[in-house]
Amino acid sequence: DIQMTQSPSFLSASVGDRVTINCKASQNINKYLDWYQQKHGEAPKLLIYNTNNLQTGIPSRFSGSGSGTDYTLTISSLQPEDVATYFCLQHSSRPLTFGSGTKLEIK
Amino acid sequence: EVQLQESGPGLVKPSQSLSLTCSVTGYSITSNYWGWIRKFPGNKMEWMGYISYSGSTSYNPSLKSRISITRDTSKNQFFLQLNSVTTEDTATYYCARGRAYGTLDYWGQGVMVTVSS
Repeated sequence: DIQMTQSPSFLSASVGDRVTINCKASQNINKYLDWYQQKHGEAPKLLIYNTNNLQTGIPSRFSGSGSGTDYTLTISSLQPEDVATYFCLQHSSRPLTFGSGTKLEIK
Repeated sequence: EVQLQESGPGLVKPSQSLSLTCSVTGYSITSNYWGWIRKFPGNKMEWMGYISYSGSTSYNPSLKSRISITRDTSKNQFFLQLNSVTTEDTATYYCARGRAYGTLDYWGQGVMVTVSS
């Protein structure tokens, strides 16, 4: 199985800050990497698919980048409604595997 | 709009089977892929498997001997059965729609299942 190492586990930032969250795969996943947002008590929401494709309806302050084994989710200007847990998913090979999650809060 | 809703018992006894239903509205399960994912206490997530538009299945090898995913196209529902559960199967279970290359683009809100005597 491909192991996904996500960092940091917890992140506290101010409104307007640029925020980055990272996922590192144990092997090349060929950009088959998605990012999800889960707010408390809600269904996970797809933000970015295949590394850098913004899902319809997602604000443009969210972006993704990466290649090979290293991937990054960036929020360009943090907003209060971005408080949530974020996690990555690799779908390069089965079984699909997830990052451990990053809990993002506002300072 | 695509919507998914999980349902099933919130409490299952050890050694019994866990059975959940995912009801889908706004999209036919005869297209795309339909999967189950679970989130353990402590937040680790595990992909369990899926059933495809054609009815073929793929399972996580870690569960292969215990899991079955089936569907009822007339009701637009798909199902999870996990046999011989233990306390380690306590988790929140989610159903989701998958795209051809694995992206999970719509999820249900999840149902918490506790395995306890």
